[in-house]
Amino acid sequence: KNQVEQSPQSLIILEGKNCTLQCNYTVSPFSNLRWYKQDTGRGPVSLTIMTFSENTKSNGRYTATLDADTKQSSLHITASQLSDSASYICVVSAGNTDKLIFGTGTRLQVFP
Amino acid sequence: NAGVTQTPKFRILKIGQSMTLQCTQDMNHNYMYWYRQDPGMGLKLIYYSVGAGITDKGEVPNGYNVSRSTTEDFPLRLELAAPSQTSVYFCASSYGPGLAASYEQYFGPGTRLTVT
Repeated sequence: KNQVEQSPQSLIILEGKNCTLQCNYTVSPFSNLRWYKQDTGRGPVSLTIMTFSENTKSNGRYTATLDADTKQSSLHITASQLSDSASYICVVSAGNTDKLIFGTGTRLQVFP
Repeated sequence: NAGVTQTPKFRILKIGQSMTLQCTQDMNHNYMYWYRQDPGMGLKLIYYSVGAGITDKGEVPNGYNVSRSTTEDFPLRLELAAPSQTSVYFCASSYGPGLAASYEQYFGPGTRLTVT
């Protein structure tokens, strides 16, 4: 069964600290993996999209990594800001279906 | 560009009532999608459209209908609302297939629907 699991479910950090969010997937065949940021009461916004051949992709203070062999991805946030408080959703697309498989997200709270 | 807009933002329905959730995009995207997001769950695809006049079922289509008469609009119709349809509904669009890495999906702000 195609699944995307994220950990931790929630995370609290202090402003200025770094953090890493994890995503494990069992989707096959793999096409690409995306990280989205979803602010409370808003729709998801894309941070990165990575294909099989990409190991690392950055978007400002956000860096995503992908290990297609172990089927794991991580999202590293550097020097966190209060505006980073949001849910971060890992999404994987399978190469043979018409849908994206969404994880349940990690809820990040950044406190001053 | 306004991007993807959805109306209404909030709605409370009684069991058995019907309503239409509106979605409009001004990016000239061919592909449009409707998702629902239940608490603690990942987004699930309800219906999608690859162009005007063409729609297809997603993962959880029961209880919903869609139409795509124009490129810009993709309304979602709920007939005979049930408590199980209480959720947050997101419309999204993309220029090409949402599966492909080269085509990003853009989401609207969502409609929070409660059925009591």
